[in-house]
Amino acid sequence: DGGITQSPKYLFRKEGQNVTLSCEQNLNHDAMYWYRQDPGQGLRLIYYSQIVNDFQKGDIAEGYSVSREKKESFPLTVTSAQKNPTAFYLCASSIAKGQGRDTQYFGPGTRLTVL
Amino acid sequence: KQEVTQIPAALSVPEGENLVLNCSFTDSAIYNLQWFRQDPGKGLTSLLLIQSSQREQTSGRLNASLDKSSGRSTLYIAASQPGDSATYLCAVRPGGSEKLVFGKGTKLTVNP
Repeated sequence: DGGITQSPKYLFRKEGQNVTLSCEQNLNHDAMYWYRQDPGQGLRLIYYSQIVNDFQKGDIAEGYSVSREKKESFPLTVTSAQKNPTAFYLCASSIAKGQGRDTQYFGPGTRLTVL
Repeated sequence: KQEVTQIPAALSVPEGENLVLNCSFTDSAIYNLQWFRQDPGKGLTSLLLIQSSQREQTSGRLNASLDKSSGRSTLYIAASQPGDSATYLCAVRPGGSEKLVFGKGTKLTVNP
């Protein structure tokens, strides 16, 4: 059963803590993405990776970090430097870079709340 | 910088009505345009993807058109049902970019 999984579904963070959001895919996709969604807003790209051991900053990378040690996994760490981390976080993946033909497939999301 | 706008922000219709959702983008240099559906608290589901060389795509009761020169796309939903209630998001992939640029979405409510 192929797809993208994100965990946890809900996450609570205290001020000053780092937290890591998990994203795993078994679709054999090369590219993976992290987006942030705030109420009434479109999705904004945080980081993306087109290949293992390589990733690029998106539009709002400050206060976040990622790694891509395996093709299947792209965890996102929300650091204490992120001043307003409460949001809905979505992970996505797509088949291949280039050609412009690839659909992005999304996971179910993680809702992060700062206490 | 590419910007995507969706109008209206919210739409409420009676069941059975045909409806059109609008999406406009500022730069016509795109690889493709996608329409997504998002249910409350859930991830996005891809509905239709239109390549820059295509004019439209159809899936069941959904039809999406693309007019790249005017920077517009429409999503047509035929014979709407209460199960169609969701937020519909439009996204473009600018030429030469790996990113998607999203609109803020149209929240659709179909009343029984």
